[in-house]
Amino acid sequence: DGGITQSPKYLFRKEGQNVTLSCEQNLNHDAMYWYRQDPGQGLRLIYYSQIVNDFQKGDIAEGYSVSREKKESFPLTVTSAQKNPTAFYLCASSMAILGTEQYFGPGTRLTVT
Amino acid sequence: SQQGEEDPQALSIQEGENATMNCSYKTSINNLQWYRQNSGRGLVHLILIRSNEREKHSGRLRVTLDTSKKSSSLLITASRAADTASYFCATEATTSGTYKYIFGTGTRLKVLA
Repeated sequence: DGGITQSPKYLFRKEGQNVTLSCEQNLNHDAMYWYRQDPGQGLRLIYYSQIVNDFQKGDIAEGYSVSREKKESFPLTVTSAQKNPTAFYLCASSMAILGTEQYFGPGTRLTVT
Repeated sequence: SQQGEEDPQALSIQEGENATMNCSYKTSINNLQWYRQNSGRGLVHLILIRSNEREKHSGRLRVTLDTSKKSSSLLITASRAADTASYFCATEATTSGTYKYIFGTGTRLKVLA
């Protein structure tokens, strides 16, 4: 069953702790993305990766870090430097970086208190 | 600031009626895509329209693109209760080699049975 998975669905952390969100895809897609969605808002791009071992900052990369060591995996770390980390995080993948549709995972809702 | 802005922010219609949502953007784009999001879920891709296209159809969906006005519209015909969701436009652009993929703030559609 092909798709993109994110885990966990809900995540709770204390302020000051780093936390890593998982994203895995078995669609053989080259490009992967991380977005943040705040209540009643659209999505904002945090990081994207065109290919393994390469990634670029999006519009709101401060306080986040990523790695792309494997084609199928693109984990996102929310660091303690992120001032307002509570949000809904969505991972997506696409065949290529340009001109193709993105397939989204179900999302992880992170709450930091 | 968000590239795309949807209008209206919320729309409530009766089942069987048509629903029209609009998206405006600010800069030149490669393509524009429409996505649907059910509450608390990931996004599902609906349709992609390239900058040299003016209209596309997919089932009950009709998308238009007017690059001179920097606007797009999504029409859902013969709406059903299951169409209740938020709808987002997303614009893809490359500026000085930098990739930009920007989502609008969304239109919340409610279809009443």
